[in-house]
Amino acid sequence: GPKVLQIPSHQIIDMGQMVTLNCDPVSNHLYFYWYKQILGQQMEFLVNFYNGKVMEKSKLFKDQFSVERPDGSYFTLKIQPTALEDSAVYFCASSLSYNNQAPLFGEGTRLSVL
Amino acid sequence: GDSVIQMQGQVTLSENDFLFINCTYSTTGYPTLFWYVQYSGEGPQLLLQVTTANNKGSSRGFEATYDKGTTSFHLQKTSVQEIDSAVYYCAMSHPSGSFNKLTFGAGTRLAVCP
Repeated sequence: GPKVLQIPSHQIIDMGQMVTLNCDPVSNHLYFYWYKQILGQQMEFLVNFYNGKVMEKSKLFKDQFSVERPDGSYFTLKIQPTALEDSAVYFCASSLSYNNQAPLFGEGTRLSVL
Repeated sequence: GDSVIQMQGQVTLSENDFLFINCTYSTTGYPTLFWYVQYSGEGPQLLLQVTTANNKGSSRGFEATYDKGTTSFHLQKTSVQEIDSAVYYCAMSHPSGSFNKLTFGAGTRLAVCP
C-alpha cells in the first residue's frame, strides 16, 4: 500500500547546529503533518501544512522550527538552532483530505541532540 | 482543552485472552475517534476509526464503540495473539475549525505471552 517515507531514520547532531528532517509523503496527498514523540511519552502534534502554508501549529512548534515543501519535493522540518530538548522521534504524516481522514504515518526519524 | 485519557500503561495477557483497553476523551462537539497501533521500530498504523457517535468500528478482530454518553472509545478483542503485542494509541480529531490535528492518548503497551 502507499507509504510515507522518512529520511534519515536516525540523526545525531550537536546542540546549536541546524538539522533538516525529510519526509516523502504519499504522492496524491495534500495535507502534511509533523508530530513529536519524546521517549516513553505520547505523540504530540507540531504542525500541519497545506497548499504551501502552515494551517495550524502547536506551542511545541517553536520559532526555531520551520516547514516547507518546495514543488513536488520532500516535506521538510528544519530546526535551527537545535536544543537538547529537541531530542525525540519525529513522525511525518500525510492525508488526502482533512475531513475525517486518518493521516498515514511514516516510521519516524530519531533525532539525538548532544 | 482537548484530551484523550488511557489509564492503562501496560497490559499483559496470555494468548486467547480477552483484551480490553480503556479510552476516554474530552472535547466539545463530535470528534472523530481513532485507534492506532505501533509495532516496535515502526510508525503508528491506523487500526480503526469511527466518525459517528454510537457507531462501532472493527478491524482484524478488534472493535471499539463511539459512546458519546460516557465519552469513551474502549478497544476490545475476544482472543488476542502474540502478534498483537504492540503499543495501542487512542486518538481524536476535531474537524470543526481544525485541519485534522490529532490528540493522542499516552498509549497502552500490550504484551501477549504465548
